[in-house]
Amino acid sequence: AQKVTQAQTEISVVEKEDVTLDCVYETRDTTYYLFWYKQPPSGELVFLIRRNSFDEQNEISGRYSWNFQKSTSSFNFTITASQVVDSAVYFCALSEAYWGQSGGYQKVTFGTGTKLQVIP
Amino acid sequence: EAGVAQSPRYKIIEKRQSVAFWCNPISGHATLYWYQQILGQGPKLLIQFQNNGVVDDSQLPKDRFSAERLKGVDSTLKIQPAKLEDSAVYLCASSLGSGEQETQYFGPGTRLLVL
Repeated sequence: AQKVTQAQTEISVVEKEDVTLDCVYETRDTTYYLFWYKQPPSGELVFLIRRNSFDEQNEISGRYSWNFQKSTSSFNFTITASQVVDSAVYFCALSEAYWGQSGGYQKVTFGTGTKLQVIP
Repeated sequence: EAGVAQSPRYKIIEKRQSVAFWCNPISGHATLYWYQQILGQGPKLLIQFQNNGVVDDSQLPKDRFSAERLKGVDSTLKIQPAKLEDSAVYLCASSLGSGEQETQYFGPGTRLLVL
């Protein structure tokens, strides 16, 4: 069964500090996708990144970077020079293919989230 | 491009009452999802539609929850009768297709409080 663990429940950092959010997953599949979403206080989940299981290249997007390591089943997210606007709950998610009567479909499992508070 | 629309944004009801939520996905998205998010937890899938057919409703409490997507576009989720433990945020999401590579885009959610 698929499982996503975000062991850090809450993190507080002072503005401009770097912070890393951890994500560890379990899956039996060799092909899968990993996602990160941001949920600000307004409640809407905002898509940040998608990574497939065959692409272990690290990715950088502005102040955000992601480190995918298949050997340790981890997909960690780092925010560099954090800002107050980064305060939110961040979710890691794992997507696998399932098969039903109507054909193939996606099954996504979310972690429990990490609440990040950036203090000015 | 318009995002996923949901209404109402907030709803307060008493236990044993009925409630319905509405979702309009991003135009052209064939797959629609309803999630329940209890405070402090990640979203949990209730039901997934591909066009107007159900592909996964294994975690939907079918004795009280029902959902439909009659014309393959917008969808409604109903709870009848509501229980205290149904207090949560109900999120709707949509994606172009249903493969494992698809990115889901979420609406703002409906916050339900059952008293």
